[in-house]
Amino acid sequence: ETGVTQTPRHLVMGMTNKKSLKCEQHLGHNAMYWYKQSAKKPLELMFVYSLEERVENNSVPSRFSPECPNSSHLFLHLHTLQPEDSALYLCASSAQLAGDTGELFFGEGSRLTVL
Amino acid sequence: AQSVTQLDSQVPVFEEAPVELRCNYSSSVSVYLFWYVQYPNQGLQLLLKYLSGSTLVKGINGFEAEFNKSQTSFHLRKPSVHISDTAEYFCAVRRAGTYKYIFGTGTRLKVLA
Repeated sequence: ETGVTQTPRHLVMGMTNKKSLKCEQHLGHNAMYWYKQSAKKPLELMFVYSLEERVENNSVPSRFSPECPNSSHLFLHLHTLQPEDSALYLCASSAQLAGDTGELFFGEGSRLTVL
Repeated sequence: AQSVTQLDSQVPVFEEAPVELRCNYSSSVSVYLFWYVQYPNQGLQLLLKYLSGSTLVKGINGFEAEFNKSQTSFHLRKPSVHISDTAEYFCAVRRAGTYKYIFGTGTRLKVLA
């Protein structure tokens, strides 16, 4: 496999469920990101990891919990979500953080629906 | 603070006609500029980027963009669009030396037969 892979592609969960989104990159990058994409809103940066260390937590509610066990994998653990959390969650990676002139490489996203 | 403005939320255009999607940004420091495309049910894919040098940047699928520092703009153009160009287009900026990419709200390009 190449690029950035996200699973599952679609997820429906109740407000009391616990689920996780998974992201895996095969590009040798060392920075990974979670973005939230809601209709008619700009992409919202949620978390950034560099070399498995969280470097950005953009005022995200604690019901979203990221985990980066190594530079190739990123998880987003979901717990007691609200209907307004329904959105497309995009994972991305890049070669470096500050100093790199490169771009983000995105996965295809996980479409989350909270009932 | 940086921001990105895409004034047009939707742009309808007939097939084989030219198109321009507008992007303006605000930043007082050096930035890198990007255009991404998103097809339905997919993630974002890079079309082109401006880092430095020539202000006219060519990308994939026949798209190009021009960086205008005095007008703080980075408009995307294509001389002749195809039905397959129907998608959402996002402009993004990243300040040099940081990892934060700021995205615009997107422009939905609809190519009509």
